[in-house]
Amino acid sequence: SQTIHQWPATLVQPVGSPLSLECTVEGTSNPNLYWYRQAAGRGLQLLFYSVGIGQISSEVPQNLSASRPQDRQFILSSKKLLLSDSGFYLCAWSEGQGLWDGYTFGSGTRLTVV
Amino acid sequence: AQSVAQPEDQVNVAEGNPLTVKCTYSVSGNPYLFWYVQYPNRGLQFLLKYITGDNLVKGSYGFEAEFNKSQTSFHLKKPSALVSDSALYFCAVRDMNGNKLVFGAGTILRVKS
Repeated sequence: SQTIHQWPATLVQPVGSPLSLECTVEGTSNPNLYWYRQAAGRGLQLLFYSVGIGQISSEVPQNLSASRPQDRQFILSSKKLLLSDSGFYLCAWSEGQGLWDGYTFGSGTRLTVV
Repeated sequence: AQSVAQPEDQVNVAEGNPLTVKCTYSVSGNPYLFWYVQYPNRGLQFLLKYITGDNLVKGSYGFEAEFNKSQTSFHLKKPSALVSDSALYFCAVRDMNGNKLVFGAGTILRVKS
């Protein structure tokens, strides 16, 4: 069966420090991958999505970037964190081909920038 | 563009009473509709989906949803609420390009004993 791993679970980083959040999926090939941010415990904002290795679509201009170095690995990065980058970050995957069945989410990373 | 609306920020219900969390949609073509639940500091969990077939969809934890094409609604329901159902609920619709979900703003459900 398919599983999605996201880490770390919590992170406290100073302003101006770099960021790397990792997400991996097991048990499937060529998934679509997504990064969402949830601020104030409510609405979901799509940050990036990827339909294949090296293919990244950015939904909003921001201080963050994403990369997909391997088929089932999706990384969210920043060179210099801002206070406004604080939030709950969620990775998700969906089928890349065949029957599209919605998303499966990771457990999330709580990022606090201080 | 595809969109969903969740008109209630919060729904309060007593334990044992039926609950309804509302969702309306706007789509071009046939909708793919989903409900997800999120507990504090956790990822979203899939509850149920409507793609085609019966208008009444049954999902996890005793939840169900009724697809109503004439009212463009997909309300989430449960006959008897539990305190443990208290959470944040999201309705979503598949985007036109097929690779993404468009989420509603979410509805907080509070079930009181």
